[in-house]
Amino acid sequence: SYDLTQPPAVSVSPGQTASITCSGDKLGNKHACWYQQKPGQSPVLVIYQDMKRPSGIPERFSGSNSGNTATLTITGTQAMDEADYYCQAWDSDTVVFGGGTKLTVL
Amino acid sequence: EVQLVESGGGLVQPGRSLRLSCTGSGFIFRDHGMGWVRQAPGKGLEWVGFIKRKRSGGTTHYAASMEDRFIISRDDSKDIVYVQMNSLKTEDTGVYYCTRDSDWSLDVWGQGTTVTVSS
Repeated sequence: SYDLTQPPAVSVSPGQTASITCSGDKLGNKHACWYQQKPGQSPVLVIYQDMKRPSGIPERFSGSNSGNTATLTITGTQAMDEADYYCQAWDSDTVVFGGGTKLTVL
Repeated sequence: EVQLVESGGGLVQPGRSLRLSCTGSGFIFRDHGMGWVRQAPGKGLEWVGFIKRKRSGGTTHYAASMEDRFIISRDDSKDIVYVQMNSLKTEDTGVYYCTRDSDWSLDVWGQGTTVTVSS
């Protein structure tokens, strides 16, 4: 089975840049996407097809994907960005999620 | 407004069955693959499975750990996708989300319905 690995936790100071990585074998050959989930809420898609932002997602969210690693970058992180973030990719007709990263803004 | 609304969750005994429903609105339901994702209490997201749109074959695909007990189906005349869950176990407890497939992502999520498997 295909696996995606994320760091369990990332910390960032307000206004700084947060980077969350997602690693998987030849992940750069797949389409990676990212979800934000705040406590008690449903996940929200923030990046799809490696680097595209859905309508309504702030420009401070960006993504990249190359080699074995996809990265979610939040530039000028705000307190409201504190949440769990999950990467996801398709492997054949199967959806694979990373284990999730808790982003703390402090 | 594009929306997914799940229903059918609740408390069920181990070994019993439960069927969840998800009704879509605000978009052309038959044009999208539809799926389910679950989340155990305090844990991460776990993919359950999905069903392709009919013009892509309408086939179903499941996570390996669930394909022998869970069955996903759809009724495009009612804009509903179902998941039939059989032989439920305590570890099936969690929030079940309905999702819409688009552009290699799950671009719309429902609010979730809670399933508790306990005696």
